[in-house]
Amino acid sequence: DVKVTQSSRYLVKRTGEKVFLECVQDMDHENMFWYRQDPGLGLRLIYFSYDVKMKEKGDIPEGYSVSREKKERFSLILESASTNQTSMYLCASSLSLAQETQYFGPGTRLLVL
Amino acid sequence: EDKVVQSPLSLVVHEGDTVTLNCSYEVTNFRSLLWYKQEKKAPTFLFMLTSSGIEKKSGRLSSILDKKELFSILNITATQTGDSAIYLCAVKNSNYQLIWGAGTKLIIKP
Repeated sequence: DVKVTQSSRYLVKRTGEKVFLECVQDMDHENMFWYRQDPGLGLRLIYFSYDVKMKEKGDIPEGYSVSREKKERFSLILESASTNQTSMYLCASSLSLAQETQYFGPGTRLLVL
Repeated sequence: EDKVVQSPLSLVVHEGDTVTLNCSYEVTNFRSLLWYKQEKKAPTFLFMLTSSGIEKKSGRLSSILDKKELFSILNITATQTGDSAIYLCAVKNSNYQLIWGAGTKLIIKP
């Protein structure tokens, strides 16, 4: 079974803090994704990576950056957290871009005060 | 702009009822349509549809795609309280990106 884990289930941060969200997958998948999920808006893609050290912007990259130094790990960074970044953050991975199924981690619910 | 629209946004039914969830899309160069179920945490994969008119079935759940009218439906028969979840639809476009709908929140009352 594919396993995608995220470093925290719940996080509370203050405005202006730097926030790191970590995601690890154990199936040697090439692609990894970061989404945020907000009520009524569905999943919105922030960034994705198709290889180590490679990244592509998604639909809403502003205010976020990512890092993929190792194949199994994909980090989402909020350089200076703001209250409008309060959300559920979901990480996903897939074997390749052509593979349709993405496997999701349990999510991190971030509250920025 | 690619978009996926799900309806209804929320639905409350009684246990034993049959429900139909809708997903319509406008996507450049459609590749596939996927349904996911999301309970309290991670979305889990249900179906992938690529061809029109071919029903995919798993127990009480089934789904079908109409590529001419650009929609898919997800049917759940004899609903149970464990079916309560958010059901997400996503469409993969020519850039291999998944375009997600907002989801349908389904509540099954005992």
